Amino acid sequence: DAGVTQSPTHLIKTRGQQVTLRCSPKSGHDTVSWYQQALGQGPQFIFQYYEEEERQRGNFPDRFSGHQFPNYSSELNVNALLLGDSALYLCASRSLWGADEKLFFGSGTQLSVL
Amino acid sequence: QQQVKQSPQSLIVQKGGISIINCAYENTAFDYFPWYQQFPGKGPALLIAIRPDVSEKKEGRFTISFNKSAKQFSLHIMDSQPGDSATYFCAASVETSYDKVIFGPGTSLSVIP
Repeated sequence: DAGVTQSPTHLIKTRGQQVTLRCSPKSGHDTVSWYQQALGQGPQFIFQYYEEEERQRGNFPDRFSGHQFPNYSSELNVNALLLGDSALYLCASRSLWGADEKLFFGSGTQLSVL
Repeated sequence: QQQVKQSPQSLIVQKGGISIINCAYENTAFDYFPWYQQFPGKGPALLIAIRPDVSEKKEGRFTISFNKSAKQFSLHIMDSQPGDSATYFCAASVETSYDKVIFGPGTSLSVIP
């Protein structure tokens, strides 16, 4: 049973560019969340997607947007990249329909903005 | 009020010793308190979790102690092993929002032989 998978594992971009990160949730999971983890810090919640809609959002600017597809996979898009966007981006999933509070994380995409 | 505080920032324990990490929160709406373990290059993995109606939960060598009145909780790792060397995060969330987990800043644990 594959867990949460993310691609790519590493990415290098320059300031002002746009980036798209991808996530496939754990089998049986229907909701996906995205987190940003800066070096040496705990992950911070960006937003959650369920039934192809953004359901909750953390304190992140509109440059951060997302999408969820009918197969529950998800994308995170970041526009107009800033140096401060350099971080590990984590995708997490759980079964909202199954009312399971356990959140499973992928290994993340390491984004470097130069 | 959404913060979860965590200490110490780093911890060095000898093999076989007890590792203790402490956390505190302010938001009394939190009703689920997971602990995550993260190895370099990996995402956080759920280790153990507790709800505020329970004062202690034990799974193998890992024990959570919870003090609802003090709004504090802690993780004890008994018989610490070098393989336990990782970063540990305490966290909290509310029933209506289990996807929005509030993480503490983390504790880097090193278990030395």
